[in-house]
Amino acid sequence: EVQLLESGGGLVQPGGSLRLSCAASGFTFSSYAMSWVRQAPGKGLEWVSAISGSGGSTYYTDSVKGRLTIFRDNSKNTLYLQMNSLRAEDTAVYYCAKGLITSGMDVWGQGTTVTVSS
Amino acid sequence: QSVLTQPPSVSAAPGQKVTISCSGSSSNIGNNYVSWYQQLPGTAPKLLIYDNNKRPSGIPDRFSDSKSGTSATLGITGLQTGDEADYYCGTWDSSLSAGVFGGGTKLTVL
Repeated sequence: EVQLLESGGGLVQPGGSLRLSCAASGFTFSSYAMSWVRQAPGKGLEWVSAISGSGGSTYYTDSVKGRLTIFRDNSKNTLYLQMNSLRAEDTAVYYCAKGLITSGMDVWGQGTTVTVSS
Repeated sequence: QSVLTQPPSVSAAPGQKVTISCSGSSSNIGNNYVSWYQQLPGTAPKLLIYDNNKRPSGIPDRFSDSKSGTSATLGITGLQTGDEADYYCGTWDSSLSAGVFGGGTKLTVL
């Protein structure tokens, strides 16, 4: 069964850091681009970042550039999102997804909640 | 303010057809494929349509999409109460070099 399982969310103070993980199983992880999408409480979906299968190409929405870093370890079938200099507006449920938005993200994790508050 | 514009809500009766529009520009919908997602309350989004009206396995042909210029439209026929959800369009924006979603449309099946 194709599955994505996020972890690493929690409560963090403004300016703090957090690392999200997304463990993949059931497919050849290194063959697929991966994405992170977030959803603030009561709001719509927001595309955050994407990475190629090899990890050589990365993309970010403007509001997170320089603060959030997407990377992957294909030997561990795991996607990561390193989150630094966190702000209140980063509070959201973070989903990892298999694929790219332009070609369809066909598998989603259950989401992990990040709360940035003092 | 989302780059892609969707109506906040639509409604229709069971068995009827509904359409959800998604309006963009030449830098996104006009030159890239659009994907559509369904999000049932309290759950993760699910892919409905991708790559010019393709459906993942298990998605019924009641769901379809079309594109004209810088706009895309999701169509749902034979509405069921289980279709009540939020629907999002998404695509790549070549000017932003980033993915973009519409603001989402809440479907109510009366």
